[in-house]
Amino acid sequence: QKEVEQDPGPLSVPEGAIVSLNCTYSNSAFQYFMWYRQYSRKGPELLMYTYSSGNKEDGRFTAQVDKSSKYISLFIRDSQPSDSATYLCATLSGGYNKLIFGAGTRLAVHP
Amino acid sequence: DTEVTQTPKHLVMGMTNKKSLKCEQHMGHRAMYWYKQKAKKPPELMFVYSYEKLSINESVPSRFSPECPNSSLLNLHLHALQPEDSALYLCASSQGPGNYEQYFGPGTRLTVT
Repeated sequence: QKEVEQDPGPLSVPEGAIVSLNCTYSNSAFQYFMWYRQYSRKGPELLMYTYSSGNKEDGRFTAQVDKSSKYISLFIRDSQPSDSATYLCATLSGGYNKLIFGAGTRLAVHP
Repeated sequence: DTEVTQTPKHLVMGMTNKKSLKCEQHMGHRAMYWYKQKAKKPPELMFVYSYEKLSINESVPSRFSPECPNSSLLNLHLHALQPEDSALYLCASSQGPGNYEQYFGPGTRLTVT
């Protein structure tokens, strides 16, 4: 079983839609959960992080962690074509030295 | 300045060549990383340098040789690579080891012929 599972998509939505991206993880010891965004031919960039359980909001983006079900979510409200990218969930492992990524979900927002 | 720079952007090399990838950051970060990313896959960790010392080697073949000459620079020396080593090589840095916020460079797209 992979430590972080993520549906690779692709996911195609119309502009303005609410997007829900999800991951599950296997190790209950994980505490830090991140979402990275990667545009085509670029390196990943940190979008949001949460520590332990709960919600975190930043503009149109909301990150959510449910430790009881080992579920991580990213919601994008009022999605824009510029949100078209691959979204990677990640957690820290190995004494916090290692980022473990999910497979990444390719999102396309069409006008 | 939150930029990590990588050179070259693209590299084509034969299986008998020796080449090097370079990464630089001027954010005062003390942890630096090399990742390998194949098409439509997530980045895979190769090496971690913490305070200029190699702290993690993810069982990477010896044809990849990392080097950290100083706190701002990270090199990846390549020798006798295989075609399956063709990938995007990403460098990243973070304030310290174990920091969740890693800053990635744009990567070097490597093709081994």
